[in-house]
Amino acid sequence: DTAVSQTPKYLVTQMGNDKSIKCEQNLGHDTMYWYKQDSKKFLKIMFSYNNKELIINETVPNRFSPKSPDKAHLNLHINSLELGDSAVYFCASTPGQGSSEQFFGPGTRLTVL
Amino acid sequence: SQKIEQNSEALNIQEGKTATLTCNYTNYSPAYLQWYRQDPGRGPVFLLLIRENEKEKRKERLKVTFDTTLKQSLFHITASQPADSATYLCALLNSGGYQKVTFGIGTKLQVIP
Repeated sequence: DTAVSQTPKYLVTQMGNDKSIKCEQNLGHDTMYWYKQDSKKFLKIMFSYNNKELIINETVPNRFSPKSPDKAHLNLHINSLELGDSAVYFCASTPGQGSSEQFFGPGTRLTVL
Repeated sequence: SQKIEQNSEALNIQEGKTATLTCNYTNYSPAYLQWYRQDPGRGPVFLLLIRENEKEKRKERLKVTFDTTLKQSLFHITASQPADSATYLCALLNSGGYQKVTFGIGTKLQVIP
């Protein structure tokens, strides 16, 4: 049973395209996150949702738009992809707001050509 | 500015020895500090959490210390094994404001048989 799942695992696309990454957790957690891990392996928070409500929005270009249809799902849509968007994107969830362990998905490796 | 520093150079140790990894921080008032393990191509996995009022936490061969005066956490793996080879990330949850977790860049540990 996968706790936090992401699709797709790999995504290769051209500059200027629009793409989405999906995340689902079956842990019953209230809070979900999107992180970006760049080529230097630095893991940086992008967004956090608590019960479908956006609570953290770091300085991310507005080409990135998260959507949470319900508390088990948090999707990430990226418009007008740029070379610098190439990275691994991780979804994570936690029972409460940051005070307990985070469960990470397997990651989506995005390559923009 | 806020900084979390981990030794980004790889740490190589002999099997059976104790590995000690360091996490230093500046301009944070962390309520919690967490340690995660990340294997290549996978998402981080939670290992231990220590609160600001705790000095030490143990779990099997793992030990974490937290010194809020020195602004430092040490992560120890005793009787290290080749299977412990991975990147270890420290993460801080700041007290007050939005409860987001901020990750260090991680230290790559290689246990040599």
